[in-house]
Amino acid sequence: GDSVTQMEGPVTLSEEAFLTINCTYTATGYPSLFWYVQYPGEGLQLLLKATKADDKGSNKGFEATYRKETTSFHLEKGSVQVSDSAVYFCALSDRVNQGGKLIFGQGTELSVKP
Amino acid sequence: GAGVSQSPSNKVTEKGKDVELRCDPISGHTALYWYRQSLGQGLEFLIYFQGNSAPDKSGLPSDRFSAERTGGSVSTLTIQRTQQEDSAVYLCASSFIVDSNQPQHFGDGTRLSIL
Repeated sequence: GDSVTQMEGPVTLSEEAFLTINCTYTATGYPSLFWYVQYPGEGLQLLLKATKADDKGSNKGFEATYRKETTSFHLEKGSVQVSDSAVYFCALSDRVNQGGKLIFGQGTELSVKP
Repeated sequence: GAGVSQSPSNKVTEKGKDVELRCDPISGHTALYWYRQSLGQGLEFLIYFQGNSAPDKSGLPSDRFSAERTGGSVSTLTIQRTQQEDSAVYLCASSFIVDSNQPQHFGDGTRLSIL
C-alpha cells in the first residue's frame, strides 16, 4: 500500500541555518504531496502542496519539489527562525480510489535555537 | 464557524465506558475525515465522509468504533467499551470536496485518555 517515510527527529538547528527534512513516498497511483505543520499547542496546518511531478510548492520561505524519479518531496528553508520550531509532517493523497485521505509520515520535530 | 470545531477538547474516561466525539466542519465542506494521532502509531486515517455517506471505513481499528454524519455537516465518532489503547488525539478535517488535490483543514482535536 501507499506509504510515506520521513527523516527522524528531533532536528535541532541554530537560527538562520539551512533546513532540509527528507521525505520519500511509495504510491500505486498519482499522488498529490503535502507538508503539514503542527506548532506547539496548535492544530495541523497545511504548509505547502504539489499536485504533479516537477511542481514546486512554497510558503513562508519553505519549499518542496515533487520529484517523481526519486519519489521524494524534501522540505527546505534557507534560513530558519525560532518561530519555525514545530513538528512537520509529510503526507500524500492518492488520486486513484483513495477518496482524498491523507497518508502521513511519522513527523519530524524541529527545534530552532536563538 | 471559521474553522473546524471539535468537542470536547479533552475527555478522560474509565475503561469500558462509551465516548462520543464531535466534529463541526467548515460550512459548505462536503468532505469530512477522521484521523487518530498517537505516540506509537503517528497519524492514522480512520474514516471519511462524502456528504452523509462513508465510502471508506478501512481505518477504523475495530467494530467498537463507528461514525456517522447527518445533514452533511456535523459528524460524531463513537467508541464503545473503551480500552486503554484507544487513548490518543482524535483529529477531524474537512475539505470543500473529496479530491486528492484539496487541502484538508484540521480541527484542534479531542485528547482522549482512558484510565
